[in-house]
Amino acid sequence: DGGITQSPKYLFRKEGQNVTLSCEQNLNHDAMYWYRQDPGQGLRLIYYSQIVNDFQKGDIAEGYSVSREKKESFPLTVTSAQKNPTAFYLCASSRPGTGNLDEQYFGPGTRLTVT
Amino acid sequence: GIQVEQSPPDLILQEGANSTLRCNFSDSVNNLQWFHQNPWGQLINLFYIPSGTKQNGRLSATTVATERYSLLYISSSQTTDSGVYFCAVDMAASKLTFGTGTRLQVTL
Repeated sequence: DGGITQSPKYLFRKEGQNVTLSCEQNLNHDAMYWYRQDPGQGLRLIYYSQIVNDFQKGDIAEGYSVSREKKESFPLTVTSAQKNPTAFYLCASSRPGTGNLDEQYFGPGTRLTVT
Repeated sequence: GIQVEQSPPDLILQEGANSTLRCNFSDSVNNLQWFHQNPWGQLINLFYIPSGTKQNGRLSATTVATERYSLLYISSSQTTDSGVYFCAVDMAASKLTFGTGTRLQVTL
């Protein structure tokens, strides 16, 4: 089945540790995105990548890093510099272009808790 | 940046009732999507609708781009419709900006 997978579903870390969240897609989409959601809020864009080996900061990139070495994969690292890392993290992908091609599809998310 | 406002913030319906959710945005957009977030957090695509009207079963949506708003209609609501409905827009580069959502609870 085509889709977007994120792992793990739940992640617990101690303060001061870096943690990497996985996002994989087999939809052959060029663009991938990371969003953060806090309780009762909408999603906010962290980083996005429109092509392999290239990525751009979103609205809240501080304390996060990404890589895009393969088309299928866009891992997100939450570093110890992120002041409030506990949140729900969602990955998305799309195939930018005209018409419906830039519709974004989302993975199931990873709930990160840092104590 | 672009502002996205959704109303109402909360809505409680009895099963079988109809409802209209509204999304206002502050600038011209290339893309507008409606999502349903289920209780497990999964975002489910409902409509890609930068303009015009679309229907899918009991759901329909209308976007009036010139007046910068979109409406999501839910007819004959069911308990499985409960959750949070998000409107999201993008102006360029496919970067979605989300509203804060409408939380819908459908009761028996």
